[in-house]
Amino acid sequence: AQSVAQPEDQVNVAEGNPLTVKCTYSVSGNPYLFWYVQYPNRGLQFLLKYITGDNLVKGSYGFEAEFNKSQTSFHLKKPSALVSDSALYFCAVRAHNLYGNNRLAFGKGNQVVVIP
Amino acid sequence: DTEVTQTPKHLVMGMTNKKSLKCEQHMGHRAMYWYKQKAKKPPELMFVYSYEKLSINESVPSRFSPECPNSSLLNLHLHALQPEDSALYLCASSQGQASSGANVLTFGAGSRLTVL
Repeated sequence: AQSVAQPEDQVNVAEGNPLTVKCTYSVSGNPYLFWYVQYPNRGLQFLLKYITGDNLVKGSYGFEAEFNKSQTSFHLKKPSALVSDSALYFCAVRAHNLYGNNRLAFGKGNQVVVIP
Repeated sequence: DTEVTQTPKHLVMGMTNKKSLKCEQHMGHRAMYWYKQKAKKPPELMFVYSYEKLSINESVPSRFSPECPNSSLLNLHLHALQPEDSALYLCASSQGQASSGANVLTFGAGSRLTVL
């Protein structure tokens, strides 16, 4: 089955420090990978995606992610975290349901807490 | 207009009630989605409409009935729900064919449903 794993439940980081949110994937074939963020009482917002091309993907709000095929990872990074980055972050991969339809399979989510 | 608008924001209903959730977008997106999300969990896909036709039903109980009256509107009709159906219901839309699995989803803020 095609899936992503987000190994940590919560990531705590001091404001101004680098932020990394980890994601590993398990797919057959070429992965389509996504990161979404959810602020409190809001829907999910798209940050970035990797389909093909450059392994370093730049996205919204200063976030970037690096696709690493050998490590099957797609970690989300930000050089300097802000308090406003505190949110729930979801990694997702294109997957198939039982009938072969494409859909997004989300990871369990990581709560990021940026400490002032 | 780059938003997906969901109404109502909050809904409390009894197990015998009939209610509806509404979703609207004016971005010209031709794929629309319903997701269910429990607190601090990833969203779970329920239904996908592509070009106003139901293309995916993730084995959702019949007490949830989707409807897509036109390309801008998506409804979710609720009847005889159970307390475990209490959740945040998210609507999303995307350009192009939903079947590609590469589309970026634009989410609404959600309708928080409580079933008593």
